[in-house]
Amino acid sequence: NAGVTQTPKFRILKIGQSMTLQCTQDMNHNYMYWYRQDPGMGLKLIYYSVGAGITDKGEVPNGYNVSRSTTEDFPLRLELAAPSQTSVYFCASSRAAQETQYFGPGTRLLVL
Amino acid sequence: RKEVEQDPGPFNVPEGATVAFNCTYSNSASQSFFWYRQDCRKEPKLLMSVYSSGNEDGRFTAQLNRASQYISLLIRDSKLSDSATYLCAVNSILTGGGNKLTFGTGTQLKVEL
Repeated sequence: NAGVTQTPKFRILKIGQSMTLQCTQDMNHNYMYWYRQDPGMGLKLIYYSVGAGITDKGEVPNGYNVSRSTTEDFPLRLELAAPSQTSVYFCASSRAAQETQYFGPGTRLLVL
Repeated sequence: RKEVEQDPGPFNVPEGATVAFNCTYSNSASQSFFWYRQDCRKEPKLLMSVYSSGNEDGRFTAQLNRASQYISLLIRDSKLSDSATYLCAVNSILTGGGNKLTFGTGTQLKVEL
């Protein structure tokens, strides 16, 4: 039981490049989330999903897209990377609303 | 006013000391409350949920004060291994059906010999 896994662990992008951050959970959780954490700041919700095929925007969705074709996977897409997207990205999942969220190990992204 | 506020610290305490952190929240409709622990460059991990009646897990005690809108975390007999950043998180329901976990910026604890 691996919990929530994320790939890659670290990536350097050039301005304008695109990439997909992968997130997979094996706990059969319906709810999945993407957060970003900037140094000295709290976690900010980017997008979330309440089940396969259903996604919605969080607090800071601009510059990102998501899809949820299966219960297990919730990839985050950056289309035109900008320096402001330099951050640590965490994926999380929970069994239901209001319940504990479990986090993946994070992806460190540097946009130069 | 921020949705969730914490004193960033750092709190530097000697081993064996008792230390307490508070976290205030602004949304009176918030439903669930949590304390997470985050080690440097790692993901947040759940330390404990916070219940209305208060709860204790070994050296850790969490309490909720709905009237004053804050939660607290008490750590007794601090260990070197307790050094970390402690994030409070407050849960509220989103219109889309999911839930929003709003995190504080964290309080840094350093336990010293």
